[in-house]
Amino acid sequence: QSALTQSASVSGSPGQSISISCTGTSSDVGSHGYVAWYQQHPGTAPKLMIYDVNRRPSGVSNRFSGSKSGNTASLTISGLQAEDEAEYYCSSYTSSNTVVFGGGTKLTVL
Amino acid sequence: QVQLVESGGGVVQPGRSLRLSCAAAGFSFSSYGMHWVRQAPGQGLKWVAAILFDGSNEYYADSVKGRFTISRDNSKNTLHLQMNSLTTDDTAVYYCAKDRGWVAAPETWGQGTPVTVSS
Repeated sequence: QSALTQSASVSGSPGQSISISCTGTSSDVGSHGYVAWYQQHPGTAPKLMIYDVNRRPSGVSNRFSGSKSGNTASLTISGLQAEDEAEYYCSSYTSSNTVVFGGGTKLTVL
Repeated sequence: QVQLVESGGGVVQPGRSLRLSCAAAGFSFSSYGMHWVRQAPGQGLKWVAAILFDGSNEYYADSVKGRFTISRDNSKNTLHLQMNSLTTDDTAVYYCAKDRGWVAAPETWGQGTPVTVSS
């Protein structure tokens, strides 16, 4: 049950687009369509932003989008806004009927 | 709307036990899988355990298997996590989370309850 691999940090200016990658294995990201992305601001609970690789829950801005290729999933945020600054985590269902998270990526809006 | 309220956290000595509870409201509790996820201070999210909508199957992270037990009472809309043989590595905020359906991905999260294991 090794954690999914995410880069530690990413940054961008308001209005720009950024992408965060999440690399797993053929036993998790590569074998299931159950990849999710969460946003967490300091001191608060995580919020689901993307599920099933590329679906957005009701109420989540369409500036957030997800994709997957092989064992790597990606979250793209377009039109960066100050309130997007947060920690982002990916997760995947696994072939062992468990869930694994990534280590988290800190997004800084410059 | 969906509400999840955790309780039962606190300070406990290594080797002791603690039972967390999560009161659910605002949705059909007996229709959804549920998760426990924890976050150690300054660290990332770690999945702990999940249980199917009807309690028929439970799933655990290797780090807690044999020590923790997830359970649910659908008649009381309540989720539990029994934690035994606690170690300092179990110190974290514990979140209860509702799945979108099965147990593939937490959807809605509670605010968490802190657990500190310390002598």
